[in-house]
Amino acid sequence: SQQGEEDPQALSIQEGENATMNCSYKTSINNLQWYRQNSGRGLVHLILIRSNEREKHSGRLRVTLDTSKKSSSLLITASRAADTASYFCATDETVISNFGNEKLTFGTGTRLTIIP
Amino acid sequence: DGGITQSPKYLFRKEGQNVTLSCEQNLNHDAMYWYRQDPGQGLRLIYYSQIVNDFQKGDIAEGYSVSREKKESFPLTVTSAQKNPTAFYLCASSRRGGLGTEAFFGQGTRLTVV
Repeated sequence: SQQGEEDPQALSIQEGENATMNCSYKTSINNLQWYRQNSGRGLVHLILIRSNEREKHSGRLRVTLDTSKKSSSLLITASRAADTASYFCATDETVISNFGNEKLTFGTGTRLTIIP
Repeated sequence: DGGITQSPKYLFRKEGQNVTLSCEQNLNHDAMYWYRQDPGQGLRLIYYSQIVNDFQKGDIAEGYSVSREKKESFPLTVTSAQKNPTAFYLCASSRRGGLGTEAFFGQGTRLTVV
């Protein structure tokens, strides 16, 4: 089963506008990460936010985390055509039943299209 | 040049055959992961390993097998028991640690059953 569910599934905006994607998850987590995937390629890490943090910035990216609602959002400001990609949230949880093994589980993704 | 390498990039298999996908990393990472991605879908966890000679089933392990005999290598075998193996397979690695670290991905192997 998918741990995370992104919303919306697809988003198209004009270049220069801001893009917001949301992620909801089900279990307690150590941290939440956001990744980007260009079509047919591997994923690239964007940003990590720990479970005791509420907001984090990196360049044009802003991530928030609300552990009480089990949700996170990714904001990309001043979007560019090169931001066109799929974006995934991933949760890192410790699986107690597996002797503390850490399990990295991905959501369903948001497909972002930036219109020049 | 540090990184994680998957091979081959494209793989064709006849029905009823087993096939092994390679994943090698030189990042000295303890943790390695295999994911399956279907068109327009998210990543689903097949198997993961936190240490040599140990691995755990993910959410969709049926029809797959793995080994972790070396830290650098985590091959995935797609067996004939996997009913719908055509998909994009991604391997990843990361450092272990309770605070979590980023995962590094290979470029993927696209498997097609013919």
